[in-house]
Amino acid sequence: SQQGEEDPQALSIQEGENATMNCSYKTSINNLQWYRQNSGRGLVHLILIRSNEREKHSGRLRVTLDTSKKSSSLLITASRAADTASYFCALGAQKLVFGQGTRLTINP
Amino acid sequence: EPEVTQTPSHQVTQMGQEVILRCVPISNHLYFYWYRQILGQKVEFLVSFYNNEISEKSEIFDDQFSVERPDGSNFTLKIRSTKLEDSAMYFCASSEGQGNSGNTIYFGEGSWLTVV
Repeated sequence: SQQGEEDPQALSIQEGENATMNCSYKTSINNLQWYRQNSGRGLVHLILIRSNEREKHSGRLRVTLDTSKKSSSLLITASRAADTASYFCALGAQKLVFGQGTRLTINP
Repeated sequence: EPEVTQTPSHQVTQMGQEVILRCVPISNHLYFYWYRQILGQKVEFLVSFYNNEISEKSEIFDDQFSVERPDGSNFTLKIRSTKLEDSAMYFCASSEGQGNSGNTIYFGEGSWLTVV
């Protein structure tokens, strides 16, 4: 089944810096979704990028997709303390498959 | 923005008891899902539901589990004869169309189930 693996597993940066997280996968995809999860909370949808798209933006978020390398990246610019969370890429149709995520910590 | 709502947010139950977790999906959505996340582990797919029937289920979703859409707004997950290992956060989700058609899947805040 499809599964994305996020890298790094943990990332700690200073507030104001940019954070980049990567997702690699092995099978062909129709689309890829990025989610955020604050500790003990629900999954918040960030961006869906289709296989025929290379880049999408939403506010301070920028997602890229390289289907030839089977990888996607999530960039958070000008990070804030409130961005501290775990970030997941998810592949699949009805059955989303999640990786372990990247735990992002923004230090004030 | 429309959201998926779940109740209860937290439930403690005795081992062997039955539990019903409730969800109200986003109103114009047609596909409904349950996922779970055991503490410290990955989010896992349980079941998807469309047109009043299960469209896909994982091997986790055995006879202990069932889903129902009892009316036009609610979507429920029933867990019979709960076991300690059923302790987890259970997420309901919904989407307008199928995920592989580029439809976003929206998740609720989760119901934390503790089996004692």
